[in-house]
Parts: sequence; structure tokens; C-alpha cells
Amino acid sequence: AIQVTQSPTSLSASLGDRVTLTCRASQDINNKMAWYQQKPGEVPQLLIYYASTLQSGTPSRFSGSGAGTDFSFTISHLQSEDFATYYCLQGYSLWTFGGGTKLELK
Amino acid sequence: QVQLQQSGAELAKPGSSVKISCKASGYTFTSYYISWIKQTTGQGLEYIGYINTGSGGTNYNEKFKGKATLTVDKSSSTAFMQLSSLTPDDSAVYYCASRNWFAYWGQGTLVTVSS
Repeated sequence: AIQVTQSPTSLSASLGDRVTLTCRASQDINNKMAWYQQKPGEVPQLLIYYASTLQSGTPSRFSGSGAGTDFSFTISHLQSEDFATYYCLQGYSLWTFGGGTKLELK
Repeated sequence: QVQLQQSGAELAKPGSSVKISCKASGYTFTSYYISWIKQTTGQGLEYIGYINTGSGGTNYNEKFKGKATLTVDKSSSTAFMQLSSLTPDDSAVYYCASRNWFAYWGQGTLVTVSS
């Protein structure tokens, strides 16, 4: 089974900051990576798929990149509504979630 | 609009089973697989498996083989997940999700296993 290692597990940042999260897959997954946002008490929401394609409605301050085994997710200018937990998901072979990154206000 | 409506919270005793439902609407049910995901309180997401809503074929994460059984009723556009031989470690919120890249999720079903 493909493993996905997400880092960091938590991150403190300020409004307006640029932050980057990473996920590493245990084998080449081409571009089969997605990113989700989950706020407390809410359902995960798809933000990006195929590594870099923005889901309809995802603000342009969110971006994704990568291919093969290494992927990144960036929020270019943090807004208050962005403080949440983010998960990556590989979809190359069955599906595997990363462990999540909790993004908190500094 | 696309909706996945899950059944209500369950309280179950250790060793018993529960069956959760996920009713789809707003799209052609058999056009998309339905997946199931586990989230323990305050923890991350674990992928359980999926069911091909057209053929009934299934594919499970190795960890959940023997624990989860996925079925579907095409006539009612509903997918089901049965969890068997429950232990406290099975206490979690369980989500169904569908469409490309899990663009749509059910609201979640809380399963609590306690004697």
C-alpha cells in the first residue's frame, strides 16, 4: 500500500503569511494527489486535485504543485478563514490520506 | 444539487455490528463509486474502501478487510457500510464520499462503541 507522509503536523502563522505544506508518497504516484481543508465540526472540502488543479470555488490564493513522490500545497496570503486542518490524499493506488496539518493562528 | 445523506448516530455494544447508510441524490447514482472514510475524534482521516455502485464490486484498505462490508441498493440510490465485531477502537465518525476526488461528502455518522 502507498504511504503518504505529510509535514508539518502543525504550523503557526499570522494573517497575510505565505505557508507551504508538503506530502511525500512512498512511491511514484504521477500527479494523483489532492488537498482538502477541514474546519472543526465540518466535512472535509476538496480544494485541489491532480496536484495543481483548483476545484471550482477554491480561492486563487491556494495552489498546489509536484509530481512523482513530492508534493506541496501553498496558501499565498493567509486569511482568517484559512485556519483549519489540511489533508493530502493520494489517488494512484486505492487511496491514502496524509496525517494532516493543523494550521493555527500565531 | 448533489447530496449524500447519511443515517444517524449509533450507539453499539462491543462485539455487535452496525450498518450505516448513505443515500445519494442529485446525480446518476451508478455513475460514481462511493467511498467510506473513518475519522477518529480529533484524529486524521483513514480510507476504508469503495464500492462500484453499478456492479457492486468492492475494494478495501487491507486494514479494514473483515471489519467493514460495503453494499449498495441501486433501487434506492443508497450505499451501506456494515461494521462488525465492534470494539472501542471503532468509535469514530464515518463518512461516505463520492464523485471525482471526493468532491462530495455525507455529513458523517458518529458510531460510539461502549458497554
